[in-house]
Formats: sequence, structure tokens, C-alpha cells
Amino acid sequence: EPEVTQTPSHQVTQMGQEVILRCVPISNHLYFYWYRQILGQKVEFLVSFYNNEISEKSEIFDDQFSVERPDGSNFTLKIRSTKLEDSAMYFCASSRAEKLFFGSGTQLSVL
Amino acid sequence: QKEVEQDPGPLSVPEGAIVSLNCTYSNSAFQYFMWYRQYSRKGPELLMYTYSSGNKEDGRFTAQVDKSSKYISLFIRDSQPSDSATYLCAMSRSNDYKLSFGAGTTVTVRA
Repeated sequence: EPEVTQTPSHQVTQMGQEVILRCVPISNHLYFYWYRQILGQKVEFLVSFYNNEISEKSEIFDDQFSVERPDGSNFTLKIRSTKLEDSAMYFCASSRAEKLFFGSGTQLSVL
Repeated sequence: QKEVEQDPGPLSVPEGAIVSLNCTYSNSAFQYFMWYRQYSRKGPELLMYTYSSGNKEDGRFTAQVDKSSKYISLFIRDSQPSDSATYLCAMSRSNDYKLSFGAGTTVTVRA
């Protein structure tokens, strides 16, 4: 069964460093998303991406965040200068329509 | 008022019991309703999907949506220890597929 793949599973970084989280969505899906979950809190929407552009972003997704689909198969989330409060589990998701399928997540720890 | 409200529990039931989970929401534009299962430190896994009001059954799982009351439910019959997980309700509008999640209910099924 096709699945969304995320790498790395864990990422530790120093505050102020840049990180790139990588995702390979399900191959025939058209919509791509990043969500995050701070420990003990709700899964929160960050950004959605369709037709090679951002379709919607939350207020969390400020200028420090960017997304890219560089080669038609990968989907990346970049955090330019990480802050302590960026520590969370980051989930990539993809869909053809309303049913979203999630990856296993990248645990980001900012020290 | 929160957009999606879900009692976080925790809920502990004996094996074989019926588990009853529910969410309420405030946004009448929601049309797609989902239940996800999340094991500790893993990505949400799509369990049930319902469009608009009505019931849907899949094996031991039944999802119900009452749009007039803005209330959705998930029932798990003959619960098993392997059903122990956090259950997340999620919903989206018809003009975009961005999911709004509930806080999740942690369920433990005791053998």
C-alpha cells in the first residue's frame, strides 16, 4: 500500500540553525501539506501546497518557513532560523482530495 | 469557542466493551468528517471518513455525523487491546481540504 515517507525521523539542531524536513508524498496525489504537533497538543495545520504553489498557510507559517517541491516527487519544509518553540513533531500529508494520508513524522528538537 | 472540541479523556475500558468517542464543532461549513488513530509518536492513520450527515460502518467501527447538532461520534465494538491509541477527529470544508483537528482522546483497552 502506498504511503507518505518522511526523513529524517529525528532531527536535533541548535537554535538559529536551518533545518530541512523531507517528504515523499504518495505518487498520484495532488495536494501536499505540513502539520505539526507540539508534545501534548493538537495537530496544527501549517501550510497546504497545490499546483506548485502555496494554497493556504496558517499564522504559524511565518517568513522563517518555506516549502518546496523541487523535483516532482519530494516535498520539503525549511525552517530558516530555528527557535526553541519550533520543537515539535512535523507531519507531512498528501491527498487527491479530502482524505489526507500522513507520514510518520519528523521529531524536531531545537536546543 | 474552539472550532473543534474533543474530550481528551483518558478513557479506559475492559476488552470487549464498546468505546464511544465524540467531537463537537462550531463551523457549519465543515462537510468532510474523519477519524484518525494515532499511536504514540507516530503519524495519524485514517480510520473512518464520512461526507456530510449520516452513518458509516466498517467492521467494528461506526462513524456518525449529525450536522444539525454539529456533533460527530465514533463507536468501536468488541474493543481489543490493540485498539489502545489516541483517536483524533478531524474535519474540513468543501472548498479546501485543510483539516481542523480535535485534541484527541486517549483510549486504553484493558485485557
